[in-house]
Amino acid sequence: NAGVTQTPKFQVLKTGQSMTLQCAQDMNHEYMSWYRQDPGMGLRLIHYSVGAGITDQGEVPNGYNVSRSTTEDFPLRLLLAAPSQTSVYFCASSRTKNQPQHFGDGTRLSIL
Amino acid sequence: AQTVTQSQPEMSVQEAETVTLSCTYDTSESDYYLFWYKQPPSRQMILVIRQEAYKQQNATENRFSVNFQKAAKSFSLKISDSQLGDAAMYFCAYRSAINAGNMLTFGGGTRLMVKP
Repeated sequence: NAGVTQTPKFQVLKTGQSMTLQCAQDMNHEYMSWYRQDPGMGLRLIHYSVGAGITDQGEVPNGYNVSRSTTEDFPLRLLLAAPSQTSVYFCASSRTKNQPQHFGDGTRLSIL
Repeated sequence: AQTVTQSQPEMSVQEAETVTLSCTYDTSESDYYLFWYKQPPSRQMILVIRQEAYKQQNATENRFSVNFQKAAKSFSLKISDSQLGDAAMYFCAYRSAINAGNMLTFGGGTRLMVKP
């Protein structure tokens, strides 16, 4: 198993551009989440999903969209990138609600 | 909403000695889970230990143990026989047992330095 795979690992964008951060897991996990980690801070929840076709907002959802068309994939879209979205983004998944989450290695995103 | 507070931005310990990292949380729920995650410079998030709120017994994983005080809403991590490889950021995290998702609320982290 590859676990939770995030692509790309690094990305630089210009303000106003859009992009999609990819997250895929091969463990048949129902629960998936996106977090952002700003310098010197803990992770904050952006969006989460409890299964294919079901998503909901977390603590800091503004400026981000998600979809969950398959169990395996949970992409995060930035529609109009802003410098405030410069951060490290983590995707996580778990098989059930009560099992610990597996984290991807993160995507470092810089917006100029 | 739940909040998690780590009051020690940085801690330092001598190799082979013991160190305790503090964490407090605020919640009105009675059923929840608490976690400690380690984040080394590689940026990976590694689960160190987890505690179910309904269990009175403190969780232990090898050199890592917790002191869970439910009434005080305190969840500290003790690292015994500290090793150089323990140097990392440590995050305390909370998860509700009743919310639909499994999302975590994190504290701000404690940077642990281990001196040889």
